[in-house]
Amino acid sequence: AQTVTQSQPEMSVQEAETVTLSCTYDTSESDYYLFWYKQPPSRQMILVIRQEAYKQQNATENRFSVNFQKAAKSFSLKISDSQLGDAAMYFCVLTGTASKLTFGTGTRLQVTL
Amino acid sequence: EPEVTQTPSHQVTQMGQEVILRCVPISNHLYFYWYRQILGQKVEFLVSFYNNEISEKSEIFDDQFSVERPDGSNFTLKIRSTKLEDSAMYFCASRWSTGTRETQYFGPGTRLLVL
Repeated sequence: AQTVTQSQPEMSVQEAETVTLSCTYDTSESDYYLFWYKQPPSRQMILVIRQEAYKQQNATENRFSVNFQKAAKSFSLKISDSQLGDAAMYFCVLTGTASKLTFGTGTRLQVTL
Repeated sequence: EPEVTQTPSHQVTQMGQEVILRCVPISNHLYFYWYRQILGQKVEFLVSFYNNEISEKSEIFDDQFSVERPDGSNFTLKIRSTKLEDSAMYFCASRWSTGTRETQYFGPGTRLLVL
């Protein structure tokens, strides 16, 4: 069975500052993908970034980057230069050979002025 | 940019009624999914669909649920006799790759309220 754990139910960051959201996961598979999805108040699920487990290099998408520690089964998301539009629920998500997505419980990010 | 669409955006129904939630996946995608998110809880996998048949389903997806791809574009989720606990946001998702776990693209969701 696959599990994803997000231990921070809520986080807050000031505009223009940097914040890191934590995620740990467990899987018995050697080939898997990890994702961060963002869910703003509209509740649309938006892909932020993805990481292939076989790649050692951490993924980066503009202001978003991950710290993928495969041995520790850790996958954190760093948001740099935070903007008001980054306020949302962030889900850490895992998928393996079965292709279904396993979601964490989410971290609600507040961005303050 | 292609996107997944879902209709209706909101649906209110009486307990025991049948509902059909509709999704139009991205046109060249091959794999289709339904997830649900009960208010305040995490997103849960319901079912995956490929080549006109269910490839995997969760324990939530009991006999009250069914999925269908009635034509080349729509993908539907039917709940035969709704219960109060079926109230949730239902998301459709799709992806195209056959060989890797490519990104799933989500629709905007249908908010279902069962009274």
